[in-house]
Amino acid sequence: KAGVTQTPRYLIKTRGQQVTLSCSPISGHRSVSWYQQTPGQGLQFLFEYFSETQRNKGNFPGRFSGRQFSNSRSEMNVSTLELGDSALYLCASSPGDRDNEQFFGPGTRLTVL
Amino acid sequence: AQSVTQLGSHVSVSEGALVLLRCNYSSSVPPYLFWYVQYPNQGLQLLLKYTSAATLVKGINGFEAEFKKSETSFHLTKPSAHMSDAAEYFCAVSPPGGTALIFGKGTTLSVSS
Repeated sequence: KAGVTQTPRYLIKTRGQQVTLSCSPISGHRSVSWYQQTPGQGLQFLFEYFSETQRNKGNFPGRFSGRQFSNSRSEMNVSTLELGDSALYLCASSPGDRDNEQFFGPGTRLTVL
Repeated sequence: AQSVTQLGSHVSVSEGALVLLRCNYSSSVPPYLFWYVQYPNQGLQLLLKYTSAATLVKGINGFEAEFKKSETSFHLTKPSAHMSDAAEYFCAVSPPGGTALIFGKGTTLSVSS
């Protein structure tokens, strides 16, 4: 089975712009979670989507949003980018049962100038 | 609220020596606990997980961890370090059935020959 894929792998944007990141889960997985990884704050949970519905949400401002499509692929959007949004954004998929482990993708490295 | 503390941001061992990475958690309910490894420019890979079954959990690559409720600890060990073990290790906690992982700050393991 192919693993979790994320596109693009690297992205450079300027302050004030918006960005969309994409995640394709492992085939058959219905849950997709997003995490932000920075040197200062570490790994932080953004949100989780299951069957096209947001099932859980972390403590991030409304500029961070996401969605999930009927094929379980997910996108994450960040509007009005700030310098502090520079981070590695990781996507993880799981079958959907709440006790299943999460499988992580390689991440998208976002740099905001 | 749940939290994870990883003692020691950097641990150095010699090849063949014991690896011990420390993790303490705080949780108001019996948690699920995880150890992940991250190699440079890659996502996270699950090493092992505790989900309220056996307290001694064996994972991949010779790693194991023991859940000690009285000490609120879940330390990761490996009897003999290998050069390929050099990476960053993250301890994480979630409530049973929860989908949001709460991560520690990580411990970088260096292995010298």
